[in-house]
Amino acid sequence: EAGVAQSPRYKIIEKRQSVAFWCNPISGHATLYWYQQILGQGPKLLIQFQNNGVVDDSQLPKDRFSAERLKGVDSTLKIQPAKLEDSAVYLCASSQVRGRYEQYFGPGTRLTVT
Amino acid sequence: DAKTTQPTSMDCAEGRAANLPCNHSTISGNEYVYWYRQIHSQGPQYIIHGLKNNETNEMASLIITEDRKSSTLILPHATLRDTAVYYCIVRPFTGGGNKLTFGTGTQLKVEL
Repeated sequence: EAGVAQSPRYKIIEKRQSVAFWCNPISGHATLYWYQQILGQGPKLLIQFQNNGVVDDSQLPKDRFSAERLKGVDSTLKIQPAKLEDSAVYLCASSQVRGRYEQYFGPGTRLTVT
Repeated sequence: DAKTTQPTSMDCAEGRAANLPCNHSTISGNEYVYWYRQIHSQGPQYIIHGLKNNETNEMASLIITEDRKSSTLILPHATLRDTAVYYCIVRPFTGGGNKLTFGTGTQLKVEL
């Protein structure tokens, strides 16, 4: 079974630039999550989708972050414009709605904002 | 969700059992205890979860106290590849839609 795919793995940008991350969840997983992990901390949920609808985006900085999940499969997370404090690893995870509920995580995208 | 308290770091000799404790004194009746781990430069990986009975799978065992206020994750024969940050998370088991609230976890270092 293929895991959660993310790209790119690394990205370096200057502050005020834009960046986008892509995630392909495990086939058949209806729920998709984006987490932000700052160095030395545990991951923090940014947004959760079920199919292509948003379930929870309470911790997403909506003035600069946006996310979409078209057709209920792939998802993109965008930051525009980036700030220095956005430097972090961005993790995508997916899970089933029924049956086994554990979340499966991708390898993450390490973003450095200079 | 109930909060959890874990030691910041622990060491273990390879081949020995690693016992990782977690306190969750405010856990409520519908909340499960989940354990994930994160190996360096990888995403978190599910290990095990339980409600009140002890659980065992191919990766680990989970021991939950009778009052459910604390639990211990046991890696029976730790290897160098078990070096990782281990997260204890408490959340309701109401389906796949609930987020995971991570703390800072326990950094386990397995040494020769």
